[in-house]
Amino acid sequence: EEKLVESGGGLVQPGRSLRLSCAASGFTFDDYAMHWVRQVPGKGLEWVAGINWNSGSVAYADSVKGRFTISRDNAKNSLYLQMNTLRPEDTAFYYCAKSGLYASGSPFPSGDWFDPWGQGSLVTVSS
Amino acid sequence: DIQMTQSPSSLSASVGDRVTLTCRASQTISSFLNWYQQKPGKAPKLLISGTSSLQSWVPPRFSGSGSGKDFTLTISSLQPEDFATYYCQQSYSSPPVFGPGTKVDLK
Repeated sequence: EEKLVESGGGLVQPGRSLRLSCAASGFTFDDYAMHWVRQVPGKGLEWVAGINWNSGSVAYADSVKGRFTISRDNAKNSLYLQMNTLRPEDTAFYYCAKSGLYASGSPFPSGDWFDPWGQGSLVTVSS
Repeated sequence: DIQMTQSPSSLSASVGDRVTLTCRASQTISSFLNWYQQKPGKAPKLLISGTSSLQSWVPPRFSGSGSGKDFTLTISSLQPEDFATYYCQQSYSSPPVFGPGTKVDLK
C-alpha cells in the first residue's frame, strides 16, 4: 500500500520559518515526482510546489515563490518543504502527494494527477 | 494560468438521486481533467483521471465525461458514502489548478 505521512506542522509566528517532512512508503520513491498541496481550513485546494524524481526540476506557485523550497532525499524516501518568511495567509493544512506518472523529467507533465495524498499537517501562522 | 470553475458550489440531494457536477476550464485542456473526492477531516482522494478513467476503488455509479473546456462528473444513484466535496483539477499545463469544489450534502 502506498502511504505518505506528513510531520512538522504547528504554530509559528509571522516572519518565522518551519520545515515540513513527508515520509513515503509502499512504492519506489525515486521513480516519481512529488508535490505539496495546501488547503485553508474550510476552503479549496491550492498546489504549492512540485519536484521531479531526481530533484533536477522544481516548480512553485507564485504565492510562495522565493519563500518556500521543496526538496527530497531519495535515500530516505522523504520529501520536504522549507517555509521561510511565513505569513498569516500561509495558514493551512499541507498535504504531500505523489505524482501519477512514472519518472517524468518535469514536476508536473501533462496528464499527471495526485495520488495518494498524505493525511495533512496543519500550519498555523499567528502571533 | 488556467482557471477552473465548478457549478453548483453546493447541492442537496437524496439517496438514489442522479447527480451531475460541472467543471469548466478557462481555455481548452483537451481531456486532461481529474476529479477528487474529499470527506470532512480527510485528505482528498483521486476519483477519476483523464476525464473518464475511474480509479480501482470507485464504484461504477460514478462516471466522467467531457473535453475541451467543459466536463461533468455524474453519480447515477447517490449513496450515503458519496456525500462529500468534489474538486476538479486541470492537468493540461503547469501550474496544476483545482476548481473551487462542489459540496454534495443530504437533502
